Amino acid sequence: KAGVTQTPRYLIKTRGQQVTLSCSPISGHRSVSWYQQTPGQGLQFLFEYFSETQRNKGNFPGRFSGRQFSNSRSEMNVSTLELGDSALYLCASRNDRAGETQYFGPGTRLLVL
Amino acid sequence: GQSLEQPSEVTAVEGAIVQINCTYQTSGFYGLSWYQQHDGGAPTFLSYNALDGLEETGRFSSFLSRSDSYGYLLLQELQMKDSASYFCAVEGTGGYNKLIFGAGTRLAVHP
Repeated sequence: KAGVTQTPRYLIKTRGQQVTLSCSPISGHRSVSWYQQTPGQGLQFLFEYFSETQRNKGNFPGRFSGRQFSNSRSEMNVSTLELGDSALYLCASRNDRAGETQYFGPGTRLLVL
Repeated sequence: GQSLEQPSEVTAVEGAIVQINCTYQTSGFYGLSWYQQHDGGAPTFLSYNALDGLEETGRFSSFLSRSDSYGYLLLQELQMKDSASYFCAVEGTGGYNKLIFGAGTRLAVHP
């Protein structure tokens, strides 16, 4: 089975711009979660989608949004980028059962200048 | 709220055994997971404890004690390739599929 894929892998943007990141989950996985990883804050949960619906949301401003398509692929969008948004953005997919392993993609490394 | 604490750094030599502790404060959770992350890489699942006790997976074992709000990851027969960051994480009952991570423990394995 192919793993979780994320595109692009690297991205450079400037303050004020917006960015869209894409995640394709493992085949058959309908739950996709997004995380932000920074040296200062560690790994933080952004949101989770299941069957095209956002089920959980972390403590991030409204500039961070996402969606999921009928094929379970997911996108996240960050508008009005700030320097502090520079981070590794990870998505993870899993079967929808408590305790099931979350499988992470390689991440998108975003640099905001 | 939920918080997990783990040591920031651990150093060990090849062939040794190292234990990485994780203490947590959470009102309820499905289980405690451990992830490994090499520099520049993505977190990789290592182990999961839904119940109290020891889970063994090859050179890695993980332990959970809900009564003590404590868990640990035990790495045996350390190899240089085990140098990485290790994260404990809980999936809270209040946020299905939402993993709360500890800050991570950086393990350095020396010859």
